[in-house]
Parts: sequence; structure tokens; C-alpha cells
Amino acid sequence: EPEVTQTPSHQVTQMGQEVILRCVPISNHLYFYWYRQILGQKVEFLVSFYNNEISEKSEIFDDQFSVERPDGSNFTLKIRSTKLEDSAMYFCASSGLPLRDTDTQYFGPGTRLTVL
Amino acid sequence: GNSVTQMEGPVTLSEEAFLTINCTYTATGYPSLFWYVQYPGEGLQLLLKATKADDKGSNKGFEATYRKETTSFHLEKGSVQVSDSAVYFCALDGGTSYGKLTFGQGTILTVHP
Repeated sequence: EPEVTQTPSHQVTQMGQEVILRCVPISNHLYFYWYRQILGQKVEFLVSFYNNEISEKSEIFDDQFSVERPDGSNFTLKIRSTKLEDSAMYFCASSGLPLRDTDTQYFGPGTRLTVL
Repeated sequence: GNSVTQMEGPVTLSEEAFLTINCTYTATGYPSLFWYVQYPGEGLQLLLKATKADDKGSNKGFEATYRKETTSFHLEKGSVQVSDSAVYFCALDGGTSYGKLTFGQGTILTVHP
């Protein structure tokens, strides 16, 4: 069964450093998403992406964050200058259709980001 | 704004016990409702969904009914197994916003033999 993959599974970085979290969505999907979960808190929407541009972003997704689909298979989340409060589990998801068409978002296993 | 509230956890049950995990929501428009499950070390997997009022989603013995009048989507299973031990998340789509899931805080379920 096709699945969403994410690398690395765990990333440790120093405050102020740039990190890139990588995702390989399901191959025929068109919509891509990033969510995060700070330890002990809810899973929060960050951004959705379609047709090589951002469809929607949350207030969390400020200028420090960017997303890119550099080739036909990868979808990346970049944090330009990490802060302690960026420490969280980051989930990538993809879907073939937007939710309004009752499609399903398929999630990856997550990348745990630790900022020291 | 949209929000989802789940019952406080963790929940600990014996095998074959009845499970209910409560979920209520606040949303504008007409959202779709979801239950996701996260097994240890894995990503979020869709367990079941319902897209309109009075719909019942079901999968793997789990059920949930979309109740518009009580704004609820409670998860139930008649007889849990040890393998059901996981974290369960209730979620809704944006209602008027596509592709933006709003999650509850998650409920940890542990089932003992």
C-alpha cells in the first residue's frame, strides 16, 4: 500500500540554525500538507500546498517557514532560523483531492525536531 | 473559530471491554468529521469518517455517528483488543476551508489482557 514517508525521523539542531524536513507524498496525490504537534498539545495545521503554491497557511506559519516541491516527488518544510519553541513532531500529509471532495489525508510517521 | 474537544485521557481498559471516547466540536459551515489513530512509532491513520449529519462511519469494529444536534462524534467499540492500544484523535475539516484539519488533543488508550 502506498504511504507517505518522512526523513529524518529525528532531527536535533541548535537554536538559530536552518532545518529542512523532507517528505515524499503518495505519488499520484496533488495536495500536500504540514502539521505539527508540540509535546502534550494538539496536532496543529501549518500549511497546505497545491499546484506549486500555498493554498492556505495558519498564523503559526510565519516568515521563518517555507515549503517547496523541488522535484516531482519531494515536499519540504524549511525553518530558516529555529527557535526553542519550534521543537515538535512535524507531520506531512497528502491527498488526491481536497477534503471537500471527501478524500482522505494520508499522514507520514513524522519528524521529531529538537531545538537546543 | 473551529475547535474539537476530546475526553480527557488516558483510558485504560481490559480486553473485551466496551470503549467510548467522547468528541464534541465547534465549527462554521458543514464540516466533515474524522477519527484518526496513531499506533506507537507510526503516523496518523484514518480510522473512520462521516461527511454529513446522521452519517455513521465504521471500520475495524469502531463506529461513530455524526450528531449535528449535539455537535458530537463519539467513538465506540463493543469489545476492545490489546492491539487497539494507541492514541485516538478526533478531527474536522475546515467546514468552509478545504484541506485544513482541526484536531482534538488525542486520547491515549491502553488495553490490558
